[in-house]
Amino acid sequence: AQSVTQLDSHVSVSEGTPVLLRCNYSSSYSPSLFWYVQHPNKGLQLLLKYTSAATLVKGINGFEAEFKKSETSFHLTKPSAHMSDAAEYFCVVSDSGGNKLVFGAGTILRVKS
Amino acid sequence: NAGVTQTPKFQVLKTGQSMTLQCAQDMNHEYMSWYRQDPGMGLRLIHYSVGAGITDQGEVPNGYNVSRSTTEDFPLRLLSAAPSQTSVYFCASSRTSRNEQFFGPGTRLTVL
Repeated sequence: AQSVTQLDSHVSVSEGTPVLLRCNYSSSYSPSLFWYVQHPNKGLQLLLKYTSAATLVKGINGFEAEFKKSETSFHLTKPSAHMSDAAEYFCVVSDSGGNKLVFGAGTILRVKS
Repeated sequence: NAGVTQTPKFQVLKTGQSMTLQCAQDMNHEYMSWYRQDPGMGLRLIHYSVGAGITDQGEVPNGYNVSRSTTEDFPLRLLSAAPSQTSVYFCASSRTSRNEQFFGPGTRLTVL
């Protein structure tokens, strides 16, 4: 069965500094991987997705993620944090049949001024 | 396009009551799903559907029923509400599960 581990439940950065949100997955096949963001009291929005094309995936709002099969990781990065990036971020993997999505527990990003 | 709509936004139930959470989408998506979100646990899949007339269980299906009589609608029924079902419920739709999921605004349910 597929699983996702987000290694940090909370991350705090200063505005203008880099962001790194870590995600490891387990899957017995070539997975589809996603990052979603949820701002307070809002629904979820797709940041980016990996579906076996380029291993470096660029998303919205300056975020990107790199698929590393050897490390089973899909970490999310951004060069310079903005106050508006404060939100909860979810790493998601699609199962072998492609019909079930498995979410990580989420990482809350705090951005300090 | 309205996207994915959910009603109601908030609901309070007493233990043992039943109710239906409504979900509709106007994007002609085949794949629809229901999740519950609890603090520190991410979103967990309750039920999903790959098309009209086809539904299947997700990770946490107990206590919930679904049906998919049309492409547009995917209601979630709580048969006999329990306090453990207090949660925020999200409906989502997409072309397939490997595509971007479009989420509704959520329903915050409290069971007393």
